[in-house]
Amino acid sequence: EVQLLESGGGLVQPGGSLTLSCAASGFTFSTYAMSWVRQAPGKGLEWVSVISGRGGSTYYAASVKGRFTISRDNSRNTLYLQMNSLRAEDTAVYYCTKDISSGTSYTYDAFDIWGQGTMVTVSS
Amino acid sequence: QSALTQPASVSGSPGQSITISCTGTSSAVGTYNLVSWYQQHPGKAPKLMIYEVSKRPSGVSNRFSASKSGNTASLTISGLQAEDEADYYCSSYAGSGTFVFGIGTRVTVL
Repeated sequence: EVQLLESGGGLVQPGGSLTLSCAASGFTFSTYAMSWVRQAPGKGLEWVSVISGRGGSTYYAASVKGRFTISRDNSRNTLYLQMNSLRAEDTAVYYCTKDISSGTSYTYDAFDIWGQGTMVTVSS
Repeated sequence: QSALTQPASVSGSPGQSITISCTGTSSAVGTYNLVSWYQQHPGKAPKLMIYEVSKRPSGVSNRFSASKSGNTASLTISGLQAEDEADYYCSSYAGSGTFVFGIGTRVTVL
């Protein structure tokens, strides 16, 4: 069964740091791009960042660029999101997602598998 | 990249058909055939319903269909059922590795 399991969320003060992890199973992890998508309480979905299958390409939403770093360890089938200089507006459920495309037609396509999400609260 | 525009809410009676629109810009929806749609029930993770404008993943009911014309994509739910009551989000690849989501549409089954 294809699964994504996030961890690492919690309460952090403004200006603080946090690292999220996402353990993947049930598919060839290194073949697929992976993204983080977040959802603030009562709000809509916001794409945060994507990393290519081999990790050589990374992209970020303007709202997090320069503060967040996406990475992956294909030997451990794990995706990460290092979050620095956190702000109140970063408070959200963070979802780890798998891209539906294995790169044969499109490198980045759609998010076909989602984790259960991990809550990040930025507050003093 | 600004969020894609969706109606805040759409409603219909059981058995009816409803359509949700998703309007973007020429740099997102208009340029790439990489529009996708997601269903989200309260407290749950989103579920992919449509990808590449009109393709259904395995296991998604054929009551869900979608299309695109210019800068506007549309999702149609036919034979509306109580279980279809949820929030629906469109998304589009926007170039340079980035994605943009719509603001979301609440579907209510009357």
